[in-house]
Amino acid sequence: QKEVEQNSGPLSVPEGAIASLNCTYSDRGSQSFFWYRQYSGKSPELIMSIYSNGDKEDGRFTAQLNKASQYVSLLIRDSQPSDSATYLCAVNIFGNEKLTFGTGTRLTIIP
Amino acid sequence: DAGITQSPRHKVTETGTPVTLRCHQTENHRYMYWYRQDPGHGLRLIHYSYGVKDTDKGEVSDGYSVSRSKTEDFLLTLESATSSQTSVYFCAISADRANYGYTFGSGTRLTVV
Repeated sequence: QKEVEQNSGPLSVPEGAIASLNCTYSDRGSQSFFWYRQYSGKSPELIMSIYSNGDKEDGRFTAQLNKASQYVSLLIRDSQPSDSATYLCAVNIFGNEKLTFGTGTRLTIIP
Repeated sequence: DAGITQSPRHKVTETGTPVTLRCHQTENHRYMYWYRQDPGHGLRLIHYSYGVKDTDKGEVSDGYSVSRSKTEDFLLTLESATSSQTSVYFCAISADRANYGYTFGSGTRLTVV
């Protein structure tokens, strides 16, 4: 079982709709959770971090964490073509000095 | 990229030659990392450093070595490049054991022919 799993997609969402990206993790010692956005040919960019159960909102983005079920999700409201990218989920396990990444979900927003 | 630069941005090299990639940061962060990214594999950790002269191996360290003689510089060396090391290499920095995530450099696209 992979430590961090994401559906590779591609996930196609109409412009203006809500895009929902999901990530599950295996280690219950995980304490910090991150979403990175990566445009084609570019480096990953941190867009959201979440540390406790519940929702965290930042503009059109909402991160949701459920430690009991071991999943973290990212919602993008009012999706725009500029949101088309690969989204990477990353997890930091307590005591570790490095992140563990999922393989990413490719999101396409259809105009 | 927020005080982190990688050089070169692109490189083509021949099989069997040594190659060194450089990561330079101006953030004075303690932690520095080297990843490679390949289709279907995502980001895989090669080596990381938790201080000057302090390094540790990642999941794909065979064929690679690193050095950190100064806080700001982290070098990745491919001792004898092979075609399987053709990849995009990213450096990342972190202030506090990755608790607040990483900042990535722009990447180096390496082709071994």
